[in-house]
Amino acid sequence: EIVLTQSPGTLSLSPGERATLSCRASQSVSSSYLAWYQQKPGQAPRLLIYGASSRATGIPDRFSGSGSGTDFTLTISRLEPEDFAVYYCQQYGSSLAFGQGTKVEIK
Amino acid sequence: QVQLVQSGAEVKKPGASVKVSCKASGYTFTSYDINWVRQATGQGLEWMGWMNPNSGNTGYAQKFQGRVTMTRNTSISTAYMELSSLRSEDTAVYYCAEGAADGAFDIWGQGTMVTVSS
Repeated sequence: EIVLTQSPGTLSLSPGERATLSCRASQSVSSSYLAWYQQKPGQAPRLLIYGASSRATGIPDRFSGSGSGTDFTLTISRLEPEDFAVYYCQQYGSSLAFGQGTKVEIK
Repeated sequence: QVQLVQSGAEVKKPGASVKVSCKASGYTFTSYDINWVRQATGQGLEWMGWMNPNSGNTGYAQKFQGRVTMTRNTSISTAYMELSSLRSEDTAVYYCAEGAADGAFDIWGQGTMVTVSS
């Protein structure tokens, strides 16, 4: 079973700043089957990135994903007010699992 | 548009079972796997399992093996998740999600709150 560890737990930033979120897997994620989701309070998660680096439909280009093997990154180039939320990584190549989440909060 | 609409909130007693439905519209129901994910209040996302609506094949997370059953009725484009032997720790919002984005979950239901309380 692959375990995903996200860091940091909380990221305190101001609008306009760059956010870098990390997701580390306990084993290599096959074929880069790694996704990122955004979740706001009271809402279902929203897919941002799949296949480690492909943006989902309608996702702004300030969101980008990178990485392979066991180390993956979600970058938000310039934070907009609506980007403050919790972000989860997910691997779906071998069984399926989510990371524990990173909260991006307003500094 | 493509959407998944889930059944309403449930309150159950410990030891009971709950069955949550997830109705698909706007796409061919049998085209993509349906997954179930739950989230306790203030906690992270927990994957429960998947079902192929075409074949009915399923795969469950080890934690839920023996307690969860995922089924479907293709004539009404609806998937179901039944969880038995409920305990207070099963209190959570339960989501269905469709894996059309290369297996990633691009469409989610609105969530169903299940409360287990005596």
